[in-house]
Amino acid sequence: QKEVEQNSGPLSVPEGAIASLNCTYSDRVSQSFFWYRQYSGKSPELIMSIYSNGDKEDGRFTAQLNKASQYVSLLIRDSQPSDSATYLCAVNPQNNLFFGTGTRLTVIP
Amino acid sequence: KAGVTQTPRYLIKTRGQQVTLSCSPISGHRSVSWYQQTPGQGLQFLFEYFSETQRNKGNFPGRFSGRQFSNSRSEMNVSTLELGDSALYLCASSFSSGGLADTQYFGPGTRLTVL
Repeated sequence: QKEVEQNSGPLSVPEGAIASLNCTYSDRVSQSFFWYRQYSGKSPELIMSIYSNGDKEDGRFTAQLNKASQYVSLLIRDSQPSDSATYLCAVNPQNNLFFGTGTRLTVIP
Repeated sequence: KAGVTQTPRYLIKTRGQQVTLSCSPISGHRSVSWYQQTPGQGLQFLFEYFSETQRNKGNFPGRFSGRQFSNSRSEMNVSTLELGDSALYLCASSFSSGGLADTQYFGPGTRLTVL
């Protein structure tokens, strides 16, 4: 069983819509959760980190964590074409990160 | 503050050769992790170094090795290269305070092509 699972997509949304990205993880001891964005040919860059159950908002981005369901999600409001990228969910159970395979998001102008 | 730097950015080798990749972490960061990224397997953890000691290791063969120097700079070595080693190798650094807010920041990566 993979540590972290994401829908590979591609996920296409129109400009201005809300994009919803989902991730489940298997290790219940995980305490830290991260969302990274990776543009084609570039390295991952951190968007959000979340450690407690509930929602965390940062600009157009909202991360949601439910430890009981072992589920973390990322919502992108007012999606822009510049948001088109692969979004990687990462979980940190013990000093290293386990990544999902990523969801490719395309925002259509 | 300067980000994570990796050298070289691109590398072409042939099967059987060996390669050494270098990573300089963000100033003050003591933990350096290495990842391999391929289209089929995604981002896979290779190993993590902290204070010159390998603290964690992923499921890669012994041909993959690394080390960390006293200034936290790290090198990764791959011996007896195989075609399947062609990948983007990413280095990430973190402060590694042991707390929850231990975020990893990635370098630009080294693109290795094995012919």
